[in-house]
Amino acid sequence: KQEVTQIPAALSVPEGENLVLNCSFTDSAIYNLQWFRQDPGKGLTSLLLIQSSQREQTSGRLNASLDKSSGRSTLYIAASQPGDSATYLCAAQETSGSRLTFGEGTQLTVNP
Amino acid sequence: DGGITQSPKYLFRKEGQNVTLSCEQNLNHDAMYWYRQDPGQGLRLIYYSQIVNDFQKGDIAEGYSVSREKKESFPLTVTSAQKNPTAFYLCASSDRGLGAYEQYFGPGTRLTVT
Repeated sequence: KQEVTQIPAALSVPEGENLVLNCSFTDSAIYNLQWFRQDPGKGLTSLLLIQSSQREQTSGRLNASLDKSSGRSTLYIAASQPGDSATYLCAAQETSGSRLTFGEGTQLTVNP
Repeated sequence: DGGITQSPKYLFRKEGQNVTLSCEQNLNHDAMYWYRQDPGQGLRLIYYSQIVNDFQKGDIAEGYSVSREKKESFPLTVTSAQKNPTAFYLCASSDRGLGAYEQYFGPGTRLTVT
């Protein structure tokens, strides 16, 4: 059974800092890896999706990488802003292309 | 506007009562999903449906039921058999036709049972 772990559970940084969020998964036979953002009391917003054949995806100040062989994905946020404060969740999708297995998330606080 | 709607945003029920949470999407997606989120935890899959009139149990289906009579609708019933129903419930959908299966989420329903 797939297990997804995110480290650290919480992170507090000053504005402007570059940062990396980590996601690890136990079964490397994934279909894709998806990163989400969740604001308090809200639903999830999809940030980036990396298909199993890809190594990274970029959107603005966000860059996500995927290393299936080591079971790891990272989300890099450049020049962090207070508006980036949220919980970031990663999820691994199984090869059937349906179910997502989520990590517990990293709660990010960017201080002005 | 295309998207996923969940209603109501907040729901309060007495213990022993069944309650149905609504999820509607106008994205023309084939697949729909229900997740449960507890404080400080990731999402856990309750049920999912890849096509109309078909659905599968997820990891925590006990005490829940679903139906998929229409492509755009996937209601979730929380029955009195669910031992700890108070949680934040999230509905999602994805388009199998695109191949990537990127999931899009609704705003969620917070259910409180007392």
